[in-house]
Amino acid sequence: ETGVTQSPTHLIKTRGQQVTLRCSSQSGHNTVSWYQQALGQGPQFIFQYYREEENGRGNFPPRFSGLQFPNYSSELNVNALELDDSALYLCASSFNGLAGGQLDTQYFGPGTRLTVL
Amino acid sequence: DAKTTQPPSMDCAEGRAANLPCNHSTISGNEYVYWYRQIHSQGPQYIIHGLKNNETNEMASLIITEDRKSSTLILPHATLRDTAVYYCIVRGGNAGNMLTFGGGTRLMVKP
Repeated sequence: ETGVTQSPTHLIKTRGQQVTLRCSSQSGHNTVSWYQQALGQGPQFIFQYYREEENGRGNFPPRFSGLQFPNYSSELNVNALELDDSALYLCASSFNGLAGGQLDTQYFGPGTRLTVL
Repeated sequence: DAKTTQPPSMDCAEGRAANLPCNHSTISGNEYVYWYRQIHSQGPQYIIHGLKNNETNEMASLIITEDRKSSTLILPHATLRDTAVYYCIVRGGNAGNMLTFGGGTRLMVKP
């Protein structure tokens, strides 16, 4: 069984640039959630993708966007980078049963460390 | 989702049991208690979850009080590799619900 993988591991960008982070979900999972973790804080929910559509969003501006592909992998895109976007970006995958109402445990990848200069 | 309260830090001697408390006094009937841990700069690792009954797996035991207003995560024989931040999270019982992380407890296992 393959776990959640993320790429790249580290990334350095400058203010105003755009960035794309990638996540491959665990085998058998169909849902991907993205979290942002600033230094010294707990992870904060950005959004979730299920069936290639956004399925819930946290308190993040529209310049944070995402995609989910038919193979359930996902991308997080951030436009117009700001210094405060420097953080560890975490992807978590889970299985959401088609019938709904089924509790799904989220499993996290190792994260991508983004530094904005 | 209900909020949780955890002590910011705890110490434990290697080989002894580590008991990490969590208060969730506003938990609802269909909300689960989840525990994750995060070793420095790595992604959070799922440990265990429960609804009402006590749960045990290969990593830990979860004890939930009868009124469900608090719980304790037990690592039976702590090792140095258990040094991490432990997060107690209360989460709704429907698929797709997000995880709301608080500050967690920084557990330091000492030789």
